[in-house]
Amino acid sequence: AQSVAQPEDQVNVAEGNPLTVKCTYSVSGNPYLFWYVQYPNRGLQFLLKYITGDNLVKGSYGFEAEFNKSQTSFHLKKPSALVSDSALYFCAVRTLSPGTASKLTFGTGTRLQVTL
Amino acid sequence: DAGITQSPRHKVTETGTPVTLRCHQTENHRYMYWYRQDPGHGLRLIHYSYGVKDTDKGEVSDGYSVSRSKTEDFLLTLESATSSQTSVYFCAIRLAGGSYNEQFFGPGTRLTVL
Repeated sequence: AQSVAQPEDQVNVAEGNPLTVKCTYSVSGNPYLFWYVQYPNRGLQFLLKYITGDNLVKGSYGFEAEFNKSQTSFHLKKPSALVSDSALYFCAVRTLSPGTASKLTFGTGTRLQVTL
Repeated sequence: DAGITQSPRHKVTETGTPVTLRCHQTENHRYMYWYRQDPGHGLRLIHYSYGVKDTDKGEVSDGYSVSRSKTEDFLLTLESATSSQTSVYFCAIRLAGGSYNEQFFGPGTRLTVL
């Protein structure tokens, strides 16, 4: 079964410092990976996805993610964190079973707290 | 929110009562999904639809049913609500044209079952 794991419930970082939110995956076949962000009392917003090609994927709000096949990881990164980046971040993987439509399987989420 | 609305946005109900949540989209998307969000579990898929009258179960479908009689509306029904169904419910759509396309989410419905 396809799955993703987010090993950290919370990540704390000071504003201006680089941030990393970790995600590892377990899939059979080629992985299609996604990152979403959720601000308080809002729905999830799409940040970026990896389908194929360059291992470094750039997305919204200055975020990027690095796909590493040997480590089965897809970590979310940003060179300089902002207080406004504080939110809940979800990693997801596409799951596809024969005869069914594709679906997303989400990780449990990582809360990012950026402080001054 | 990709033209997705959910109603109601908040609901408090009592155990044993039926509840229907509505997801409405304005852009004629074929694929629609219902998720629930709970602390420590992330988002879990309840049911999804791949066309009018075409639906299938997700990983946590027990106690839930869905209907899609027209493209723009996807209804989630709790036939007899239980306290374990207290959660935040999100509807999502997926763009057509490729199974790896991202999903876009509605604003959510917070349901409390007393």
